[in-house]
Amino acid sequence: DTGVSQDPRHKITKRGQNVTFRCDPISEHNRLYWYRQTLGQGPEFLTYFQNEAQLEKSRLLSDRFSAERPKGSFSTLEIQRTEQGDSAMYLCASSLDSPWGKNIQYFGAGTRLSVL
Amino acid sequence: DAKTTQPPSMDCAEGRAANLPCNHSTISGNEYVYWYRQIHSQGPQYIIHGLKNNETNEMASLIITEDRKSSTLILPHATLRDTAVYYCIVRVGGGSQGNLIFGKGTKLSVKP
Repeated sequence: DTGVSQDPRHKITKRGQNVTFRCDPISEHNRLYWYRQTLGQGPEFLTYFQNEAQLEKSRLLSDRFSAERPKGSFSTLEIQRTEQGDSAMYLCASSLDSPWGKNIQYFGAGTRLSVL
Repeated sequence: DAKTTQPPSMDCAEGRAANLPCNHSTISGNEYVYWYRQIHSQGPQYIIHGLKNNETNEMASLIITEDRKSSTLILPHATLRDTAVYYCIVRVGGGSQGNLIFGKGTKLSVKP
C-alpha cells in the first residue's frame, strides 16, 4: 500500500517533554498538510507545504510547534514543552497540486498524542 | 468557520439508500463541494466532489441543486461499514487554496 503513512500511531508523553511525529506522503504528491483533531470535532488545519516550502500556517500553530519538510518528501511535526491541551489526533494529508488536477487530499491514519 | 451546515446525526437501515444533506448557501462560483468521511479512529477518506453537475463514482453519488446552495450525498446501498462521520466541505478547486475547513459533520449510523 502506498498511501500516507504516519509514525508513531500512538504517543504518550509527560507534560513538558518534546515529541516529534513523522509523515510520509504518497510518493508523487507535492503538497503535504498537517491537521489536528480533538474529540468530537472535525480536523483543524495547522500548516501545509508545497515541496519543501511551508506556504501557510494556522494561528493554532503556536511557537511551540514546528514543522519541516526538508527535501520535499517526508515531513516532521515537533511539539516542544508539551501541555495537556496538546492531547489530540495529529493527521497528515498529501495531494498532487496541478492546474488540471483535482487536488484531492489523502489522509494518513493519524498519530494520537496523550499528554499526562 | 465551516461554510456548510449539516445535520448532526442520521440513521439508515442496512441495504437502504442513505441520503446526507448539506447546505452551502454562500458558495462562490469557483468553489467545489467535497465530501469526506471518517470512520472511528481512522483518518478522513475522500468520497467525491463536484462543481455543478451531478457526479457518481464507485462509492457514492453527489447531487447538487441548480442554484448550488445545497447538495446531497447518496450512498445507494448502505452497509454497516458505512457507519462514520460524513463531512461536506466547500473550497476552491485546483491548487489555489491549501487547507480543508471541516465542520462537525453528520454522524451516520447504519443499523441492521
